[in-house]
Amino acid sequence: DVKVTQSSRYLVKRTGEKVFLECVQDMDHENMFWYRQDPGLGLRLIYFSYDVKMKEKGDIPEGYSVSREKKERFSLILESASTNQTSMYLCASLRGEYGYTFGSGTRLTVV
Amino acid sequence: AQSVAQPEDQVNVAEGNPLTVKCTYSVSGNPYLFWYVQYPNRGLQFLLKYITGDNLVKGSYGFEAEFNKSQTSFHLKKPSALVSDSALYFCAVKEGSQGNLIFGKGTKLSVKP
Repeated sequence: DVKVTQSSRYLVKRTGEKVFLECVQDMDHENMFWYRQDPGLGLRLIYFSYDVKMKEKGDIPEGYSVSREKKERFSLILESASTNQTSMYLCASLRGEYGYTFGSGTRLTVV
Repeated sequence: AQSVAQPEDQVNVAEGNPLTVKCTYSVSGNPYLFWYVQYPNRGLQFLLKYITGDNLVKGSYGFEAEFNKSQTSFHLKKPSALVSDSALYFCAVKEGSQGNLIFGKGTKLSVKP
């Protein structure tokens, strides 16, 4: 079974800090995604990647960047964390016609 | 442009009663449709999908969904609800096997004893 692992379940960071959220998948999938989830807004796509060193902006990329140096790892970077980036962050890997496999999520609080 | 609508923010059902969580979609080509479930403080889990074939698809935990092309709907159903079914449910659509999923805003299902 495909596994998508997010390194932290809960994270508390200070305003202005640089924050790294890590995501690793174990099935050699090419497509990986980062979403944030907020009450009433559903899932919003931040960035996605179709291959190593490739990245595409999603619907809300402002304040974020990503890194895909290896196929299995897709990192989300908050360059300077702000309180409005407090959210649940979800990583996903594409399984073709089976849709996505999601990680367990990282609940980030910026204080 | 692709879109998905879940018209109900919350659905309340008594345990043992049938449940329906509604979803309508809009795509220009053939839709790939999915339902996911999310339990508190967890990621989304795959429930079921429609790609082609029989309009009634069966998934995990006794859930099923009916694809209706003329009404562009893909409603999630279960004949007899359990308290443990209480969770957040997301409908999603994409065109073809590649590409990004578009998610609805989610419907909170609450099943009371």
